[in-house]
Amino acid sequence: GQQLNQSPQSMFIQEGEDVSMNCTSSSIFNTWLWYKQDPGEGPVLLIALYKAGELTSNGRLTAQFGITRKDSFLNISASIPSDVGIYFCAGRDTNAGKSTFGDGTTLTVKP
Amino acid sequence: EAGVAQSPRYKIIEKRQSVAFWCNPISGHATLYWYQQILGQGPKLLIQFQNNGVVDDSQLPKDRFSAERLKGVDSTLKIQPAKLEDSAVYLCASSQVGGGPTDTQYFGPGTRLTVL
Repeated sequence: GQQLNQSPQSMFIQEGEDVSMNCTSSSIFNTWLWYKQDPGEGPVLLIALYKAGELTSNGRLTAQFGITRKDSFLNISASIPSDVGIYFCAGRDTNAGKSTFGDGTTLTVKP
Repeated sequence: EAGVAQSPRYKIIEKRQSVAFWCNPISGHATLYWYQQILGQGPKLLIQFQNNGVVDDSQLPKDRFSAERLKGVDSTLKIQPAKLEDSAVYLCASSQVGGGPTDTQYFGPGTRLTVL
């Protein structure tokens, strides 16, 4: 089946630093999604990418849809303590609506 | 607008017992999803409903798991009998359409199941 590989698995950074994480797949996806999950909550959508090569920003977050449609990255600039959480990438088969998730990158921000 | 509601939030049972989870999606959302999230992993789709019909249940362990969405609104996921490896968070999500490039899934807070 489809598998998504996220890296790094975890990150420990200082407040104010920039963060970069990525996601690769063995399959092509029509849509790439980035979610954040806080403890005890469900994932919340941060950014959605719909076209190969697309670069999209949401505040301090920037994500790109790889040209091959098999990868994506997420950057967070000037990290703050509330950025702590688990970040998941997901690839979606647009027609069916089904999403395949990576295993997440756990971000810890030290004040 | 109210989000996706799930209950209970936590459940502890012994192996071989039965358990049921309930989900109420966002009003007007036609598509409902149940995901299983094992600790340290991403959510894995168990079943997808479009109104009250099943769209995808290819990863649902049908010998022990069942789900229904009788009136196209609320849904129940049942495990009978439970195994130790069923310990996980069960997430419910809903979306307006269930397909199309801009259809967004909204997740509930999940039910954390511990099987002893």
